[in-house]
Amino acid sequence: DTEVTQTPKHLVMGMTNKKSLKCEQHMGHRAMYWYKQKAKKPPELMFVYSYEKLSINESVPSRFSPECPNSSLLNLHLHALQPEDSALYLCASSHTTGVVAPQHFGDGTRLSIL
Amino acid sequence: GENVEQHPSTLSVQEGDSAVIKCTYSDSASNYFPWYKQELGKGPQLIIDIRSNVGEKKDQRIAVTLNKTAKHFSLHITETQPEDSAVYFCAASLYNNNDMRFGAGTRLTVKP
Repeated sequence: DTEVTQTPKHLVMGMTNKKSLKCEQHMGHRAMYWYKQKAKKPPELMFVYSYEKLSINESVPSRFSPECPNSSLLNLHLHALQPEDSALYLCASSHTTGVVAPQHFGDGTRLSIL
Repeated sequence: GENVEQHPSTLSVQEGDSAVIKCTYSDSASNYFPWYKQELGKGPQLIIDIRSNVGEKKDQRIAVTLNKTAKHFSLHITETQPEDSAVYFCAASLYNNNDMRFGAGTRLTVKP
């Protein structure tokens, strides 16, 4: 079992809906990440949080809004998504971002936009 | 930025045979090289990693080798088993975890 927990596992939403993806880790990691993965492709970095502060936004559209309420939790708020946003959304965590350290991934939320 | 190329894209082997997946990277300053295994319906799972100050690392049936001069690193799986079937991704980090770049992935099939 992964030590990074993501909910929900599956989500189907319309283009006008608002929903949130949740990620939780209890490994004491201070860096957390959101990735997007399309079918048969590698993960693509979206956001990086370091010590609960957003440090990287890889030019992600504003319809994706990340939030890090505390060191264990990471949310991704979704609004007015497009069909091309259908993908597997992965959360990961690592000790820090200052030096390279293993990133541990959750099993993702499979998102389908109708 | 860093560019990582991975070959082959698909690999099929008989159970018990060895499997080798190769990756090349573009920036000689890259210093951390993890390998991930992704099974169907799961997230990527770290299986082994290597840092630039080490040439080889082994963990039971899995080994990774790094050639800094040639800027390539490889994953070796010996005595393959059907449960090794998955997609494998290599990755490279330049300075810190903000810039980890993945290869395109290799789909490994181990036939019983």
